[in-house]
Parts: sequence; C-alpha cells; structure tokens
Amino acid sequence: SQQGEEDPQALSIQEGENATMNCSYKTSINNLQWYRQNSGRGLVHLILIRSNEREKHSGRLRVTLDTSKKSSSLLITASRAADTASYFCATDYSGAGSYQLTFGKGTKLSVIP
Amino acid sequence: NAGVTQTPKFQVLKTGQSMTLQCAQDMNHNSMYWYRQDPGMGLRLIYYSASEGTTDKGEVPNGYNVSRLNKREFSLRLESAAPSQTSVYFCASIPRPGQVNSPLHFGNGTRLTVT
Repeated sequence: SQQGEEDPQALSIQEGENATMNCSYKTSINNLQWYRQNSGRGLVHLILIRSNEREKHSGRLRVTLDTSKKSSSLLITASRAADTASYFCATDYSGAGSYQLTFGKGTKLSVIP
Repeated sequence: NAGVTQTPKFQVLKTGQSMTLQCAQDMNHNSMYWYRQDPGMGLRLIYYSASEGTTDKGEVPNGYNVSRLNKREFSLRLESAAPSQTSVYFCASIPRPGQVNSPLHFGNGTRLTVT
C-alpha cells in the first residue's frame, strides 16, 4: 500500500524544546497531511501541504515537503505538555473518482513538564 | 454541532457473534470512511463510501460489510466476529468526493474486543 512511515516511533523531550517528526512515503502524492491523536480520542487534522508547496506554517507548527526524496517533516516549536500525543502523516490516493488517505504508523510524542 | 458520532464507544463480543457499528455525521459531508487502528499498524482503511449509494473496499475489507444508509449514516457490520477483529474502529468523513485538499473529520472511535 502507499503508506507513509513516520520516524521516530517515539520521542521524549522537555517542555520548551522543539520536536521534529519525519514521514517518508512511496509514490507520487497530491497532498500530505499531518494529524494528531490524543490518547483515547479520534484523529484531529493539523495541517495540509500540497505537492507543489515546500513549506507551510500554522502557529507553532512548521511542515516541509521534499517530493524528490518523498519525505516530509513536522516541527513543533516551543513544545508544551499539552502537545503530548501521537502524530500521523497521511498521503492521498486519488483514482477512478475515489479519494483515500493512507496513514503511517505514527510518532508518539511525550513532552515532559 | 456534534461532527462525527460513533456508537457504541466500547463493545465486547464472543467469537462468532455479530454486531453493527454506527456512524453519523451532521456536516453534510458526501464521503465517509471506516478505519481500524491496531498497535504498531497505524490506521488501515476497511471500506469507504464516496457518496450516498456507493461503497468500496479499502485495504482490509475481509470479515466486514458496510451500509451507507443515507447521506448522514455509514454503518460497519461484523457478521461473525473473530479475535483478529479486536481493534479500535474509527469513522471519518470529508465534504465532497475527490476533493483532494480536504481533511478528514474523525469520530472518537469504538473500542471492540472479541474473546
């Protein structure tokens, strides 16, 4: 399947530090999205970057996309304890009128107060 | 505005029992999805419905059936539950089919255990 893979699988940092998560994928995409999941909850959309974009910002989030390397990174600056969650990248697959998102396995971020 | 609502939140079944997971969205979205989430496996697509009246298989459809009852509701049925179907099930929706720049809206999941 066209699955993204996040790296690292788990990350533990101190509050105030920056957190960087990476995502690699296998085939050409239209867009790449990042989602966050708090424990016991559904996923929440964070940011979407189109294939013709290289960088995008939203508050403390910065996403980059390198289509030549088929990779993306999510940077959370000045992390807070409330950022503790799992983060997933998702790539789209569009064909024959369908629209599917394929998710990676996620990075579990722990921010220590 | 509730978004995507899933029922039940928790369920325990014995092997061979059947059940239906319910999902409803109040955002007038056209496309709806069922995913399962297992430790170390991420989310995998079971079935999706691009629009009312259509359903298609995803990556892991075996052992499941779906019904798009109307524009709001998309149900997932396990006819004969197996322990391998122990998982957390998520329903999601987006506004329009083929709208490739639209994010998914997720429910809070149904945690299913099959013994």
